[in-house]
Amino acid sequence: LAKTTQPISMDSYEGQEVNITCSHNNIATNDYITWYQQFPSQGPRFIIQGYKTKVTNEVASLFIPADRKSSTLSLPRVSLSDTAVYYCLVGDISTNAGKSTFGDGTTLTVKP
Amino acid sequence: GAVVSQHPSWVICKSGTSVKIECRSLDFQATTMFWYRQFPKQSLMLMATSNEGSKATYEQGVEKDKFLINHASLTLSTLTVTSAHPEDSSFYICSGSTLRQGRTGANVLTFGAGSRLTVL
Repeated sequence: LAKTTQPISMDSYEGQEVNITCSHNNIATNDYITWYQQFPSQGPRFIIQGYKTKVTNEVASLFIPADRKSSTLSLPRVSLSDTAVYYCLVGDISTNAGKSTFGDGTTLTVKP
Repeated sequence: GAVVSQHPSWVICKSGTSVKIECRSLDFQATTMFWYRQFPKQSLMLMATSNEGSKATYEQGVEKDKFLINHASLTLSTLTVTSAHPEDSSFYICSGSTLRQGRTGANVLTFGAGSRLTVL
């Protein structure tokens, strides 16, 4: 399982774009990159998943360079409610019994 | 989308008693479910992988006799903390693995809301 490294914390202000980068140098060919969001005392929630290049959904974009050794979660125009911990997971959970290891995550604090 | 129901959301018990936490997949069949524990301001730690109809696979350092996992059906997995002690107080979270809608080859984890256990 690929080990991931993220910044421990980030601060931002409402309305700004936030980019959180995750390093995963040992990513395997079959691994996907998945980001989750967790609020205090709640289970994590799926945000976005990608394999390569760029993926966009209604809440975020995920940028993955050609070497796939890192990925960047982009949150457009954050609000106070985006204050949470964001986790980057790397793995091929369809074949590896779904086993994914959570890194330390990035605590994003959005200020007014 | 996929939903995992977990309860109780919080429980307080006396030291030495056992506590059962249930995790149900409401609109999908979860062949595999996972149990995590999370201490304050820390990340999730995988405790065990629960497979329907077979014994759970525990991570290193997790006592299988203390944390009993049963996965008797495709929609229900339970975690029983036996003879709980104050050091077992934690936030326990389950998840099921589901295929991304409209995509193949990459599953995602759907998590329950978590259960906060406090052992007095």
